Amino acid sequence: SAVISQKPSRDICQRGTSLTIQCQVDSQVTMMFWYRQQPGQSLTLIATANQGSEATYESGFVIDKFPISRPNLTFSTLTVSNMSPEDSSIYLCSVGPGTGTEAFFGQGTRLTVV
Amino acid sequence: KQEVTQIPAALSVPEGENLVLNCSFTDSAIYNLQWFRQDPGKGLTSLLLIQSSQREQTSGRLNASLDKSSGRSTLYIAASQPGDSATYLCAVQHKAAGNKLTFGGGTRVLVKP
Repeated sequence: SAVISQKPSRDICQRGTSLTIQCQVDSQVTMMFWYRQQPGQSLTLIATANQGSEATYESGFVIDKFPISRPNLTFSTLTVSNMSPEDSSIYLCSVGPGTGTEAFFGQGTRLTVV
Repeated sequence: KQEVTQIPAALSVPEGENLVLNCSFTDSAIYNLQWFRQDPGKGLTSLLLIQSSQREQTSGRLNASLDKSSGRSTLYIAASQPGDSATYLCAVQHKAAGNKLTFGGGTRVLVKP
């Protein structure tokens, strides 16, 4: 299993500002994933982050709005840029699954934009 | 395109009753199916992982079955407790999507004392 520490756990931010969310894993992993969970909804994949290459974004998500860094095999950040109230969500980082293996999630970051 | 559905969306039971949560998926070409628990405003806790070759997995009071051919999984929670109140999510890792997971909408469970 993997232990994932995600910071901050929650934040209230002003519209137009940016927030960077950090995700630290206790072991080296090839792929990390960032999800968004809007209020009352299920999880939607934002992007896949591989170490040493640019993140791969899902349809509807762009790098200018959600820049991702992956400087090494245990750490990643997601920035939510130029925030609006519509960005109020829970953001989660995940490791795995590898093919046929288990996925693990951080504690989530609950973001409220006012 | 893989679609994952969870019915019911919400469930309320008295303490001690068994819980039955359903998950269905449209594409049976999966590597595995995973059940998660999510407390309000929090991250996901992995409960059970069922490989595509398996028919069930058990952990304590939890038992999950998988019928890949019909595209269904069921999570059973025996002798429910108020602490089981949470949202339960299923997710499939399907072969066409590599390592990505597709999530169902979740079932919100309330166990009343």
